[in-house]
Parts: sequence; structure tokens; C-alpha cells
Amino acid sequence: QKEVEQNSGPLSVPEGAIASLNCTYSDRGSQSFFWYRQYSGKSPELIMFIYSNGDKEDGRFTAQLNKASQYVSLLIRDSQPSDSATYLCAVNPGSARQLTFGSGTQLTVLP
Amino acid sequence: ETGVTQSPTHLIKTRGQQVTLRCSSQSGHNTVSWYQQALGQGPQFIFQYYREEENGRGNFPPRFSGLQFPNYSSELNVNALELDDSALYLCASSSRTGGGKDGYTFGSGTRLTVV
Repeated sequence: QKEVEQNSGPLSVPEGAIASLNCTYSDRGSQSFFWYRQYSGKSPELIMFIYSNGDKEDGRFTAQLNKASQYVSLLIRDSQPSDSATYLCAVNPGSARQLTFGSGTQLTVLP
Repeated sequence: ETGVTQSPTHLIKTRGQQVTLRCSSQSGHNTVSWYQQALGQGPQFIFQYYREEENGRGNFPPRFSGLQFPNYSSELNVNALELDDSALYLCASSSRTGGGKDGYTFGSGTRLTVV
């Protein structure tokens, strides 16, 4: 079992719709969770950080964390073509260890 | 405040050669992590340096080695290059080993092609 799993996609949504991206993790002791966006040929950039159960909103982005189910998701409201990218879920397993990344979900927002 | 810079941006090497990739961490960051990202995959952890000491290593053979300098910049060295080493190599710096609330800041990467 991979430490961090994401649906590879591709996921296509029409402009203005809600895009939902999911991630599960295997280490129950994991403490913090990140979503990165990576445009083709570019490096990852941090868009969301969450460490408490529940929802965290930042503009059009909402991260949701459920530690009991070992599940973290990212919702993108009012999706725009500029949101088309690969979204990477990253997990800090705790104990000052390193971030572990999932394989990413490719999102395409259709005009 | 400068971000994370990596050099070179692109590199072509022949199988069996050796390569050194360089990274300057963001100001105020004392931790550097190196990742390998193959096409269509997520970043795979190679190793991390914290205050000039290796602080964890992923599932990579010993021919992948590194250094961190007193100014927290870092090098990744790969010996005896193989075709499968072709990938984007990402350097990420942070103020905490696990990233803290700010996560890791990535450089623009070095695209290595082994022929």
C-alpha cells in the first residue's frame, strides 16, 4: 500500500463547476497535510495547509481533513481554465520526518 | 528575500557519467530536501539535510549522495548514471524538517536527461 494515494485522473470539469480532489494516507500518526499545484513543466507551489479535522477555506479553495478515515480532500469552487494543473497531496508523517507526496491528480477545466 | 534557486536548469549526460546538481535555499531556511520526479509521477523523496547532517533518506541507492554547506545550500551528486535517472530533480527548502505550516518551498528544478 502506498503511503499517500490519489486518483491519477485525468479529471475534467466545466468552467464554473466544483472540482473535487481526493487523497488517502496510510500513516495514522500523520500530523499535517498539504496541497500543492504543479503546472506542466513547473515546480510545485503550495496552495493549502491543514492539520485539524474539518474544513479550511482560502478563497475558492477548501481543504477537508478526516483523520479517522485518513482522508484529505481539496475542493475548488468556480473552477477556471487557469486551475488546469496537477494537484499533489503531501503528508507529514510526524516525528520531524519528511513530506511524502502522492502521485498527483491531473485536473483539466474546460472553457 | 530570495527564493530557492537550482542550477543548472537542464542537463544531458551519458550513461555511466557523474552529475552534480546545486541548490540555494530560501533565506531563513535551514533544511533542504531533494526529490526526484519522473514524468507523470509525484515527487519521490531522495534525502534531506538539516544543519549540514543527513536527516532521512528515501529508497535510493548509495550512488545518490549529497552535501549541505554552512550557508544551507546543498548539492546532489549522482554517480554511474543510468537511463532511469532521467527525471526532474527538485530541491525544496523549509524552516522545519516536516515543513511546518509553510510546507516546503520548491526550486524550479533541474531536468536531467541520461542518454
